[in-house]
Amino acid sequence: GAGVSQSPRYKVAKRGQDVALRCDPISGHVSLFWYQQALGQGPEFLTYFQNEAQLDKSGLPSDRFFAERPEGSVSTLKIQRTQQEDSAVYLCASSPYKTGGDEQYFGPGTRLTVT
Amino acid sequence: AQKVTQAQTEISVVEKEDVTLDCVYETRDTTYYLFWYKQPPSGELVFLIRRNSFDEQNEISGRYSWNFQKSTSSFNFTITASQVVDSAVYFCALSEVWQGGSEKLVFGKGTKLTVNP
Repeated sequence: GAGVSQSPRYKVAKRGQDVALRCDPISGHVSLFWYQQALGQGPEFLTYFQNEAQLDKSGLPSDRFFAERPEGSVSTLKIQRTQQEDSAVYLCASSPYKTGGDEQYFGPGTRLTVT
Repeated sequence: AQKVTQAQTEISVVEKEDVTLDCVYETRDTTYYLFWYKQPPSGELVFLIRRNSFDEQNEISGRYSWNFQKSTSSFNFTITASQVVDSAVYFCALSEVWQGGSEKLVFGKGTKLTVNP
């Protein structure tokens, strides 16, 4: 398919473990976003990439969260020393970045459960 | 600061009823974009509509219509003759033009719509 894909779809981690979540955006999309969605809430912004440059990481909740997009396509969100409050669905979105205000295309998300 | 309020947490209707989902936003910018997304039980957010702050013309797409009123900072969404397949969580979102050129979305908490047969 040509949509945004994320892997794994589900991840269970023991508290203190490190996890890595992958996002494959739509081919050619310049912009990539990560959001965190807690149960029963709307998605909340974490970080934004334009190609390989991380231009906004104001939403990352702590220094345990780290994201990269080294070649301007695939992105990885890494969470170190996971805590129970990190349990959420992590959504990736991409957009073509034409003139601004583009709709963002979302992936299916990775549901992270920290036990 | 940007804020989106969806006061209706849950709505339940019977099939074929019309239903309106409310969205009120706050922003200091004069240029911004408003969105509606649908999140079915499968979890993937599906884009429904985008509206920029300079275009207050209402829009209709099939059974869906949107009413944008800057005077009341509202961007309401109406489903006419609802169907069971419309059951989902609906999110209203706001983005502001950012100097970098692409904009993060600020979402409301969502309205869960259940359409019963």
